[in-house]
Order: sequence, then C-alpha cells, then structure tokens
Amino acid sequence: QQQVKQSPQSLIVQKGGISIINCAYENTAFDYFPWYQQFPGKGPALLIAIRPDVSEKKEGRFTISFNKSAKQFSLHIMDSQPGDSATYFCAARTGTYKYIFGTGTRLKVLA
Amino acid sequence: KAGVTQTPRYLIKTRGQQVTLSCSPISGHRSVSWYQQTPGQGLQFLFEYFSETQRNKGNFPGRFSGRQFSNSRSEMNVSTLELGDSALYLCASSSTGPYNEQFFGPGTRLTVL
Repeated sequence: QQQVKQSPQSLIVQKGGISIINCAYENTAFDYFPWYQQFPGKGPALLIAIRPDVSEKKEGRFTISFNKSAKQFSLHIMDSQPGDSATYFCAARTGTYKYIFGTGTRLKVLA
Repeated sequence: KAGVTQTPRYLIKTRGQQVTLSCSPISGHRSVSWYQQTPGQGLQFLFEYFSETQRNKGNFPGRFSGRQFSNSRSEMNVSTLELGDSALYLCASSSTGPYNEQFFGPGTRLTVL
C-alpha cells in the first residue's frame, strides 16, 4: 500500500514531442506528489509538485495532471528538448513526511 | 542560499569496514532524510531526522544508523559493510511547514570491494 508504481521504465521522444510519464498509488493518505529530475552524477532536483486537491498544475513546459479518484498522476513535458534527457522520478509523501519514490523513467529526447 | 552539501563525494571501502557519511542541510532546514539509490532498487528511504530525533525509518538492517546534530547537520553510518551496500547515498533537507519541499544533495558514491 506504500508503493508508487511508475511507468514506462524508459521513453524515447523526438525533439518537440510530448513526453508523458505515469504514476499510480494506493495509499489515500498521501498528501503531496512531487516530481524529480535527475541527471547522471547529480542528485534529484525538484521539478514540480501538486497537492491532491488540485487536478492540474503547470510550470513552463511541465504539467502535472492529477486524478484523485483513479489514484493516478502524470507528468507531461511539452515541446521536449534534448536537454530534458534525464531520469524522472515521481514521489508521494505520507502524512508523517516520509517520501515514497517511483522506480524512475529514463527519458531520451532525440535531436 | 547554499544547497545541500554531502561529504565525501566518493568513497571506496572493503567488506567488513564501517563508513560515516556527512550531510549539511540548507540553512534553516530542520529535517534531513537519507536515501540509498541503486540501479536495481531505485531510491530507497533509509531514515529521516527532525530536530535531532529520528522521525521516520525505512526497512534497512540495523547496520545502517544515523544521527542529527543541534545545527541540523546529519551523519549516516554503515557498519560491517557488504558488497550490496555499494550505492549512491543521497541526503535531502526540508523546511518545516505545510509544503515541506525536499531538496537533495549531490550524493556520496560508496563502492564496497
């Protein structure tokens, strides 16, 4: 019940295309859902986050869509660029400030 | 504001040894969490400290321990190292309050031979 399932494991997108990464959870007590971007040799960097009382949040080319009834949330990267090539992690926070991470999606954007 | 810093960045140890990793959080952050990252298991939560107290704990054996000091700096210790402990160890700090956004350091790459 504490798991966060992330898919796909890897994704290849053409430059200018839309990258979509999905996550699903079961624990309805999760209260905060961030996405992280990680480049090789670096720690994960907070990209965008959403609370369950909001259905969508947009920051630049990055959008989180949140479906509370389906217990799913997704990251959309519009106009994907080669510089977006990285590993992306979704996460969910419990009420006691513990974060559970998805297994990661390796995104490659072709020039 | 300076980010989360971790030392050392790289470490090579042999089986049976012990190791101590250090983390300095963002100024003003009182919560520090530790994670183990491996290609096969992804990001696994080790423990979280808040105001010098362990507030959350993951499912790791007792060989993994940590502590937090009054200035919020944190250390993580692994005793009796095993080959499987080779990983990137990440520290993340969070502010208090409802948003509690978590910011990661660059990690310490531990290799156990």
